[in-house]
This record gives sequence, C-alpha cells and structure tokens, in this order.
Amino acid sequence: AQSVTQLGSHVSVSEGALVLLRCNYSSSVPPYLFWYVQYPNQGLQLLLKYTTGATLVKGINGFEAEFKKSETSFHLTKPSAHMSDAAEYFCAVSFRGGGSQGNLIFGKGTKLSVKP
Amino acid sequence: DGGITQSPKYLFRKEGQNVTLSCEQNLNHDAMYWYRQDPGQGLRLIYYSQIVNDFQKGDIAEGYSVSREKKESFPLTVTSAQKNPTAFYLCASSLVRGNTEAFFGQGTRLTVV
Repeated sequence: AQSVTQLGSHVSVSEGALVLLRCNYSSSVPPYLFWYVQYPNQGLQLLLKYTTGATLVKGINGFEAEFKKSETSFHLTKPSAHMSDAAEYFCAVSFRGGGSQGNLIFGKGTKLSVKP
Repeated sequence: DGGITQSPKYLFRKEGQNVTLSCEQNLNHDAMYWYRQDPGQGLRLIYYSQIVNDFQKGDIAEGYSVSREKKESFPLTVTSAQKNPTAFYLCASSLVRGNTEAFFGQGTRLTVV
C-alpha cells in the first residue's frame, strides 16, 4: 500500500541555520510528490511539487526538495531559516490512475520551530 | 479573487445533532475533497468528488455525508453517527486528480459541546 512517512514530528532550528525536513514514501508506481505548509488555524498552501522532469524542485519562500527514486525520498530543505518559517509542514503523494490513486496521501506533518 | 471559501470558521454542535459545513470554490475545478485534521494525525480523507453528481468515500467516511449538486459546491454533513466529530475540517479542490495542486480553504473548527 502507498504511504508517506515524515521523520520527526517536531524540528527546531536556529534562525539562519539549515532547515531539513524528511519525507519518505512507499509505492510500486511512479509518484507525484508535494510539500505543503500550514500556519495555525489556516488551510494548507503548496510550497512545491514534483510531477516529472528535473528531480530538484524549487518552491516558494526559498524552499527546495529533491526527488531521489533510489531512496524513495523527497526531503525539503532551506539554506537559512527565518522566523516566519515556523509552521507545520506536510509531505503528500499521489499517483496517476483512476479510483483512489489520484487522491493525495498526507504524512502526519512536521512542526518547525525557529529560535532567534 | 479565485479561491475556496469554507464557512463557518468555528462551529459548535450539541451531541446528537447533525451539522453541515459549507465549501464553495470559484476556481472552476472538477475535483473537490474533504479532509479531517486531528493533532499529530495529518490529514485524512473523508470524501472526494471528481465531477458533479458523483462522489466517493475516502478513508474515514463513516458518520459523514456529502452532496455535489453544483460544480462550485461540496457541503459536508457531520451526522450524529460520527462518534468523535471534534476536529478541524479542510475542504480542497483541484483541476483534476493526480498531478495537479490542491487548493485548500481556511478550514472549519468543529467542537461538540
């Protein structure tokens, strides 16, 4: 069965430090991969997505992610954290095909804290 | 401005009551979804609809019902059969299912009192 695992429910970094949020998926077919961000009591906003082509994907707010098929990973990074990056981040996967294949499957989320 | 509007933002329900959460989109998207969010659980799919007059159960449909009479609207009813309805509910839409971005509403926080 397809699934998404986010390692670490909470990650804390200092302002200016590297942000690394981990996401692994399990699938027997090629995935479409997404990262979303959620601020408290709000909906989700797309940061970036991988569907096909270049495996290094750049998104909004300086975030990027690399699709590594051999490692079944899609980790999110940002070179220098800003206080405004504090939020909850969700990795999601979907697949080509009918039925439930086209629905997004979400990881359980990682809360990012940024210390001054 | 195009987007998804959920209402109300906060909703209180007495035990045994049905309540309906509204979701409207003006993005001309075919696909719409309802998710439930609980702390530490991520988002779980309740129902989805690919097209008007069609919808399918997601992973946790028990105690919920939906309708899709118009392309723009996908209301969710939380029935008295839902044993633990207190949660944050998110509506989303996408142009098609699969490789396209889902756009989310601001959510409705439902509390049973």
